[in-house]
Amino acid sequence: DGGITQSPKYLFRKEGQNVTLSCEQNLNHDAMYWYRQDPGQGLRLIYYSQIVNDFQKGDIAEGYSVSREKKESFPLTVTSAQKNPTAFYLCASSITVTGGAAGELFFGEGSRLTVL
Amino acid sequence: AQSVAQPEDQVNVAEGNPLTVKCTYSVSGNPYLFWYVQYPNRGLQFLLKYITGDNLVKGSYGFEAEFNKSQTSFHLKKPSALVSDSALYFCAVRGYNTNAGKSTFGDGTTLTVKP
Repeated sequence: DGGITQSPKYLFRKEGQNVTLSCEQNLNHDAMYWYRQDPGQGLRLIYYSQIVNDFQKGDIAEGYSVSREKKESFPLTVTSAQKNPTAFYLCASSITVTGGAAGELFFGEGSRLTVL
Repeated sequence: AQSVAQPEDQVNVAEGNPLTVKCTYSVSGNPYLFWYVQYPNRGLQFLLKYITGDNLVKGSYGFEAEFNKSQTSFHLKKPSALVSDSALYFCAVRGYNTNAGKSTFGDGTTLTVKP
């Protein structure tokens, strides 16, 4: 089945450690996104990518990094510089949005990161 | 800047009754509007979208939404609620001219349908 796979589903990290969350899609979508979800705050955009080897910062990019070496993959690294990393992280993809296309987002099942 | 407001944190309805989850938006130019649903510890699922045309949009699981340009609203509705509709609902907006199609989400509304 086509979809988005995120791993791991649960992750625990000690303070000062970097962690990488995986996101893979087989929908042949050009655009991919990372969102952070905190209780009562909705979704906030961390990074997004419209095409391979290109990505842009979202609204809360500080303390995070990404790469887009393949169309199918968009991993997110939560660095030690992120002051409050405990959250639910959601990866999404959509058809290309250039030219005003209104593709809806397809989401993975999420990764819950807890800092101990 | 674009924004979404979901004025109700919680909506409670009895099974079989109609339900409405409210959403208002602000965006430059014409909007693309979306509704998503999220079950506990899961990702979001797309329900329906408005792009252009008919103001009443029908989506998955019997849900529909009405676009009202003068009131800048996009309320989600269902004629007869089911217990299984209980979940967290998000409204999202994107402008035609928004760079790279960035969507802005509301804070979500928890819908509880009681038997």
